[in-house]
Amino acid sequence: ELKVEQNPLFLSMQEGKNYTIYCNYSTTSDRLYWYRQDPGKSLESLFVLLSNGAVKQEGRLMASLDTKARLSTLHITAAVHDLSATYFCAVAKYIFGTGTRLKVLA
Amino acid sequence: NAGVTQTPKFQVLKTGQSMTLQCAQDMNHEYMSWYRQDPGMGLRLIHYSVGAGITDQGEVPNGYNVSRSTTEDFPLRLLSAAPSQTSVYFCASSYPEGDTQYFGPGTRLTVL
Repeated sequence: ELKVEQNPLFLSMQEGKNYTIYCNYSTTSDRLYWYRQDPGKSLESLFVLLSNGAVKQEGRLMASLDTKARLSTLHITAAVHDLSATYFCAVAKYIFGTGTRLKVLA
Repeated sequence: NAGVTQTPKFQVLKTGQSMTLQCAQDMNHEYMSWYRQDPGMGLRLIHYSVGAGITDQGEVPNGYNVSRSTTEDFPLRLLSAAPSQTSVYFCASSYPEGDTQYFGPGTRLTVL
């Protein structure tokens, strides 16, 4: 059974700081997705990572995939308040982690 | 394009009632899926479809039925609602395999 774990589950950080969210999964997969969800809203796609070593960047967010370690990271650079949301990773398209709730404090 | 649409946005049911959550997409996506989202549990897959006439069960299929008679529509039926089915339901669609999913706005269901 494929399991996906994210950590931390909750993250409170100051504006301007850097931090990384981790997504570990239990069985081999070369497809990993990151989504963002604002409170009370739907999910929005951030990144699609389809091979070992894949790296994608958009603004202050950068995602990477290491299929051998079964690990993806979402790195936040110089956080701003607008990044406050819940971030989900998903493996093999349909299996989601429990999410990381990020709060960026001014 | 409207993308993925879901109706209703909110629904309150009594235990034992049945209802259908509607989902439609206008992007000609082959893949469609239903999830439920409960606090602290992320999204859990209920049922999914890889094309018209083809459906399969996900992680939590009990108490739900689906059908896929057209590419555009993928309704989710609650056969006999239970309080444990109180949740937010999301429908999503995508092209096959590597493509990301596009999510509808969600339906917030309360079962009393």
